[in-house]
Amino acid sequence: DVKVTQSSRYLVKRTGEKVFLECVQDMDHENMFWYRQDPGLGLRLIYFSYDVKMKEKGDIPEGYSVSREKKERFSLILESASTNQTSMYLCASSSGTGLRKNIQYFGAGTRLSVL
Amino acid sequence: DQQVKQNSPSLSVQEGRISILNCDYTNSMFDYFLWYKKYPAEGPTFLISISSIKDKNEDGRFTVFLNKSAKHLSLHIVPSQPGDSAVYFCAASAIMGSQGNLIFGKGTKLSVKP
Repeated sequence: DVKVTQSSRYLVKRTGEKVFLECVQDMDHENMFWYRQDPGLGLRLIYFSYDVKMKEKGDIPEGYSVSREKKERFSLILESASTNQTSMYLCASSSGTGLRKNIQYFGAGTRLSVL
Repeated sequence: DQQVKQNSPSLSVQEGRISILNCDYTNSMFDYFLWYKKYPAEGPTFLISISSIKDKNEDGRFTVFLNKSAKHLSLHIVPSQPGDSAVYFCAASAIMGSQGNLIFGKGTKLSVKP
């Protein structure tokens, strides 16, 4: 079974803090993704990565950055947290080849509250 | 502009009956479609998928139907069980020329009443 692990289930941070969300997958997947989920808005893609040290902007990258130094780990960074970044953050990974490359496997999510 | 639309934010069904969740898409380049199920405070879990070369795919109680001409797909759950109560997301992708990015709908919250 694919396992995608997000380091924290719940986080509370203050406005202006730098926040790191960590994600690790154990299936040697090439692709990794960060989403945020908000009520009524579905899942919105923040950033994704196809390979180590590669990153691509998603639909809502403003206020975020990412880091992928190792294949299994993909970090989301909030440089200066703001209250409008309070959300559920979801990490996902997928294989880079074949039909199954389109099936993404998700972590349990991190509920971030910025006060 | 939304490329994947789930027009019903919620659906309520009696236990044992059929649940039908609908999804429409606009991009004719999409050729692979997926359904995910999400419980509160958990990540989405993959449920079932269908390629555009098929019009139906079945897995136990779950069946996905694809109507390419109408750009419409639906998920049927028969019989519905209280444990099926969750938010269901439809997603679409283009297999060719794609690194596997998915476009998600906004979700439909299914409530199955005992």
